[in-house]
Amino acid sequence: GAVVSQHPSWVICKSGTSVKIECRSLDFQATTMFWYRQFPKQSLMLMATSNEGSKATYEQGVEKDKFLINHASLTLSTLTVTSAHPEDSSFYICSVTIGQGGEKLFFGSGTQLSVL
Amino acid sequence: GEDVEQSLFLSVREGDSSVINCTYTDSSSTYLYWYKQEPGAGLQLLTYIFSNMDMKQDQRLTVLLNKKDKHLSLRIADTQTGDSAIYFCAESGNSGYALNFGKGTSLLVTP
Repeated sequence: GAVVSQHPSWVICKSGTSVKIECRSLDFQATTMFWYRQFPKQSLMLMATSNEGSKATYEQGVEKDKFLINHASLTLSTLTVTSAHPEDSSFYICSVTIGQGGEKLFFGSGTQLSVL
Repeated sequence: GEDVEQSLFLSVREGDSSVINCTYTDSSSTYLYWYKQEPGAGLQLLTYIFSNMDMKQDQRLTVLLNKKDKHLSLRIADTQTGDSAIYFCAESGNSGYALNFGKGTSLLVTP
């Protein structure tokens, strides 16, 4: 069964509005979750590492004020795209690690964001 | 970041074997992965290999790792139409558990 639940699967919003994407780990606790972004026909790019109870670590070039990450519990991380613009339209995917060495990464089903 | 390269497209006939190749540059990678992505869906972990191994087999999947050449391959035996998808190679690098991904190989299986 699914290890990671991501919601919503797709969202269409108007330019200037904010969108929240949820990532839940099912049946286990995840102290660390990752957020990726994928443009059409391109690879996934890591946006940020979400740490439970502390601030997220953002990759270079990712605006922390625009992509707000909250990891308030061991099973839930949220990514909020604030003041969305058409160039933010993309496929966003979260992942969590399990395994003693963190060797297994499981991904959510992704969220397709379209900003009009 | 470090580069992960893979061919963009592969077409095979149903029943044949598929081999998807990948090269990476970060020699400190602990794990190397193969993921499958179907249209509009998230990534499905197919298999992974620890860097001190050179082969791993899991049912129809065989992963070969040449650490000296930093070359990873995924062989799918008896390829089926349901195997048509994009396959991503990824390495763990030295950044912890986050991964560096290749751009994906689009596998098309024809009847």
